[in-house]
Amino acid sequence: NAGVTQTPKFQVLKTGQSMTLQCAQDMNHNSMYWYRQDPGMGLRLIYYSASEGTTDKGEVPNGYNVSRLNKREFSLRLESAAPSQTSVYFCASIPGQGGTEAFFGQGTRLTVV
Amino acid sequence: KNQVEQSPQSLIILEGKNCTLQCNYTVSPFSNLRWYKQDTGRGPVSLTIMTFSENTKSNGRYTATLDADTKQSSLHITASQLSDSASYICVVSEQAGTALIFGKGTTLSVSS
Repeated sequence: NAGVTQTPKFQVLKTGQSMTLQCAQDMNHNSMYWYRQDPGMGLRLIYYSASEGTTDKGEVPNGYNVSRLNKREFSLRLESAAPSQTSVYFCASIPGQGGTEAFFGQGTRLTVV
Repeated sequence: KNQVEQSPQSLIILEGKNCTLQCNYTVSPFSNLRWYKQDTGRGPVSLTIMTFSENTKSNGRYTATLDADTKQSSLHITASQLSDSASYICVVSEQAGTALIFGKGTTLSVSS
């Protein structure tokens, strides 16, 4: 049971390049999330998907797009990377709403130069 | 605006000592509160989760308390070990909501 798997683990992009961060969970969870973590800022929500077929903006959605491909997979796309998007990105999943535990992937460390 | 504030920002203690981390939140209505441990370079891992009706919950040497009236929680670590060095994050969930609201974390360093 792998839990939440993110790929890639590390990535360096040039300003203006695009890329997609992949996230997959094998726990049959309904809700999936993308966060970014910056020094001194804590985790901030970029986008989330409460269930298959739905996506919603979080606190910092600008510059990102997401796709909930199916129940297992939730991808995050940077269309034109900017240095301000240098961060560590975490994907998380939760079985449903309310009092249940969130499981996190190991993170993707992205550097935009 | 829903917020989660943690204190102290960082803490250094000697191995074997106890410590207490604080979390204050303004999230309302409230569903549950979680404490996570995040080792450097890794994703957060859950330590405890409490609903508004729970006052305390333990996980080994970690004990979390919750006062839903004052909107405060604490995480007490007993007999600290070097492996406890990590960031501890308080996370609050809105009632029936899908978003988790994160505190900025407390960085704990345990030295020998």
